[in-house]
Amino acid sequence: GAGVSQSPSNKVTEKGKDVELRCDPISGHTALYWYRQSLGQGLEFLIYFQGNSAPDKSGLPSDRFSAERTGGSVSTLTIQRTQQEDSAVYLCASSFDRGLGYTFGSGTRLTVV
Amino acid sequence: RKEVEQDPGPFNVPEGATVAFNCTYSNSASQSFFWYRQDCRKEPKLLMSVYSSGNEDGRFTAQLNRASQYISLLIRDSKLSDSATYLCVVRYSGGGADGLTFGKGTHLIIQP
Repeated sequence: GAGVSQSPSNKVTEKGKDVELRCDPISGHTALYWYRQSLGQGLEFLIYFQGNSAPDKSGLPSDRFSAERTGGSVSTLTIQRTQQEDSAVYLCASSFDRGLGYTFGSGTRLTVV
Repeated sequence: RKEVEQDPGPFNVPEGATVAFNCTYSNSASQSFFWYRQDCRKEPKLLMSVYSSGNEDGRFTAQLNRASQYISLLIRDSKLSDSATYLCVVRYSGGGADGLTFGKGTHLIIQP
């Protein structure tokens, strides 16, 4: 596609429910990243996929968070048993190569009530 | 942990003025440098890469000082539309797959 596409754009969920966030990167981009940004805060790295290599999960805050990237393209970030502190904007970015700048999607605004 | 530090501001600047802000980084192995712009409730967008020799893109000039480990962004003839948060981004070698480290941003407000 022309840009990085994320869905849904907004998600309100009850505490304890599971949510899935989707990212469709730019076609041909081998690197895909998930970040989250809480209100007024900087970007927090979550997970990184590069081609067929094992993902770098070092930024995932707890075992309630997981992510997959199928076929080297679309990625899904899953948060299980959501907590209020999970409320944030979840941003996906892709890059043709990790040596270059990213293109971000418009994010998913997650609100846990 | 590698860090990128920025003055959060806000910088309140009258329209037409020149404004500059810096970013410092702690990892001397850093290799690539970028400035991103983030508008309120929007995603970050790449503004410009920063090269060792310095580079200019219209009203924007970026400089890198490796010896002092800082990057600067200069905006000339500022416009109201320049109001945004400017994120300094540094990529360093090694340290895992994610070499990109984002600063928390400098908030710029251009006033009419």
